[in-house]
Amino acid sequence: DAEITQSPRHKITETGRQVTLACHQTWNHNNMFWYRQDLGHGLRLIHYSYGVQDTNKGEVSDGYSVSRSNTEDLPLTLESAASSQTSVYFCASQLVAGNHEQFFGPGTRLTVL
Amino acid sequence: QKEVEQNSGPLSVPEGAIASLNCTYSDRGSQSFFWYRQYSGKSPELIMFIYSNGDKEDGRFTAQLNKASQYVSLLIRDSQPSDSATYLCAVNPTGGGNKLTFGTGTQLKVEL
Repeated sequence: DAEITQSPRHKITETGRQVTLACHQTWNHNNMFWYRQDLGHGLRLIHYSYGVQDTNKGEVSDGYSVSRSNTEDLPLTLESAASSQTSVYFCASQLVAGNHEQFFGPGTRLTVL
Repeated sequence: QKEVEQNSGPLSVPEGAIASLNCTYSDRGSQSFFWYRQYSGKSPELIMFIYSNGDKEDGRFTAQLNKASQYVSLLIRDSQPSDSATYLCAVNPTGGGNKLTFGTGTQLKVEL
């Protein structure tokens, strides 16, 4: 079955380290998104991509980067992790055409100490 | 003003009752609207989407859209304890491309 996966599911890191969170989908969706979810803020968009080699900043992109070298993967990199980046991170994918429904991965809980 | 607003709750209803969840949005040109359910520690999953004014029913769930008043609601009939979750409203705003803007969610508790 087609699916969207994230790894790792849990990660603890130290301030200043570079961290990469993986997102892989097998639906062949062109559109992919990264969100963070924090209490009181809901889901906030970090970066998104509408296809290979396309990346765009969302509302909370500072300190994060993404790259899209193929359709299936959109890794999220925290260049120098900060305690403010402790959060739950969700990846989502979406068909280009259709009703804009987004399908979410299981999430990664990141703790920055 | 937040783009998508929801009462954070918790909203408590007895088992078997109708739960009513509300959402207002600021972008009058928004075209599509979504309700996601999120269990604690899990990822959001789509329950319903609606584009047109009026009601859309799917089993025990009914989405209601009023574009003139800029609100969308979700009714859950015959509420069950398994409906206890956080419900996220999401909107595809004008000029937003394929992006969705999410509200902060309403926590629903269905009590025995």
